[in-house]
Amino acid sequence: EVQLVESGGDLVKPGGSLRLSCEASGFTFSHAWMSWVRQAPGKGLEWVGRIKSKNDGGTIDYAVPVTGRFTISRDDSITTVYLQMNSLKTEDTAVYYCSMVSGYSYDYRRGTYHYAMDVWGQGTTVTVSS
Amino acid sequence: DIQMTQSPSSLSASVGDRVTITCRASQSINSYLNWYRQTPGKAPNLLIYAASNLRGGVPSRFSGRGSGTDFTLTISSLQPEDFATYYCQQSYITPLTFGGGTKVEIK
Repeated sequence: EVQLVESGGDLVKPGGSLRLSCEASGFTFSHAWMSWVRQAPGKGLEWVGRIKSKNDGGTIDYAVPVTGRFTISRDDSITTVYLQMNSLKTEDTAVYYCSMVSGYSYDYRRGTYHYAMDVWGQGTTVTVSS
Repeated sequence: DIQMTQSPSSLSASVGDRVTITCRASQSINSYLNWYRQTPGKAPNLLIYAASNLRGGVPSRFSGRGSGTDFTLTISSLQPEDFATYYCQQSYITPLTFGGGTKVEIK
């Protein structure tokens, strides 16, 4: 069974740091692209960032609001992806989900797959407040 | 960034109703459009990828259409578990972006 389990959420003061972990099982983690998505209380979904597999270059992309403050990394030996969050702001308060990105149908004209966030963890809550 | 606009933001319907949700992209995204369903307190679930393809295990009452900038998600006969919030998401280019969501409520 494919499973993602996030941990590390906590109450932290503005300007503080926190590291979230997402442990994966049930699939070949080293081949997978992984994303982080967050959801502020009562709000919609917001993409945070994505890390590709090492085989695909290991490229990491971030949303503008977190660029320079958040860092995504992965440790394939323990099938875990991380989200290091620094300089936290009150607006970073949210449930943070990790997801496994799957490549579906191949677009030959563009030379890429259609990607979607296929499997999600249960989420971990980050509260930034003084 | 590509902006994704969903309409309506909410709707009321009954079990058995046919429901259509619209998603518009601020520029062409070909068919790089996914749909998710989220029930309260739960993580989202992927329903449709590449605009019109049903993810394995998703009931056939869900269907997606569109290409370019305009897309729709249709539920042919609403079931109790479909009362939820639906999000579209473009996978054409980073930063990936979601629509604001459409909440489907019980009439």
